[in-house]
Amino acid sequence: NAGVTQTPKFQVLKTGQSMTLQCAQDMNHEYMSWYRQDPGMGLRLIHYSVGAGITDQGEVPNGYNVSRSTTEDFPLRLLSAAPSQTSVYFCASRSTGVSNYGYTFGSGTRLTVV
Amino acid sequence: RKEVEQDPGPFNVPEGATVAFNCTYSNSASQSFFWYRQDCRKEPKLLMSVYSSGNEDGRFTAQLNRASQYISLLIRDSKLSDSATYLCVVNEGFQKLVFGTGTRLLVSP
Repeated sequence: NAGVTQTPKFQVLKTGQSMTLQCAQDMNHEYMSWYRQDPGMGLRLIHYSVGAGITDQGEVPNGYNVSRSTTEDFPLRLLSAAPSQTSVYFCASRSTGVSNYGYTFGSGTRLTVV
Repeated sequence: RKEVEQDPGPFNVPEGATVAFNCTYSNSASQSFFWYRQDCRKEPKLLMSVYSSGNEDGRFTAQLNRASQYISLLIRDSKLSDSATYLCVVNEGFQKLVFGTGTRLLVSP
């Protein structure tokens, strides 16, 4: 089982560039989310999806877009990269059902914007 | 006030020791609770869910006190491999997971 796969693992962007962080899961999970992790701040929710075709904003959505055309894939797009978006990005997924089931996280993408 | 608060530590303990971490949360409507473990430069991994009646998984025991909005994690017989950051996580509903900033544990020989 691959679980949650994120690509790339590392990326350096120049200010103003755009890019897409990829996330795919093979567990047929309905729920998928994107988080960013910054020192001293904990993980913060960027966007989430409860199923194909359905997305919503989290705590820090500005500067990011998402779409969910399939159950498996949930890409995160940075529209115009800024140094403040330097962070570690994690994608996570969970099945529906009992809310006590935790999320499974991908291994993360370390993004630096210069 | 942070939604989920944890003591950042680090907690330095010798092998074999018992250590406890606490966490408080501000949203009384929170629905479910978790402890995650995160190793340096790795993704968070689910350690255990936390149930109202308390639950145990091997050397790990989690407790929830809804009245006080307080969650705890007890680790018995600490191993070197337990060294990590432990994240308290609260599900406030609608897939909104709120993460604490974590408590760092260092277990020494």
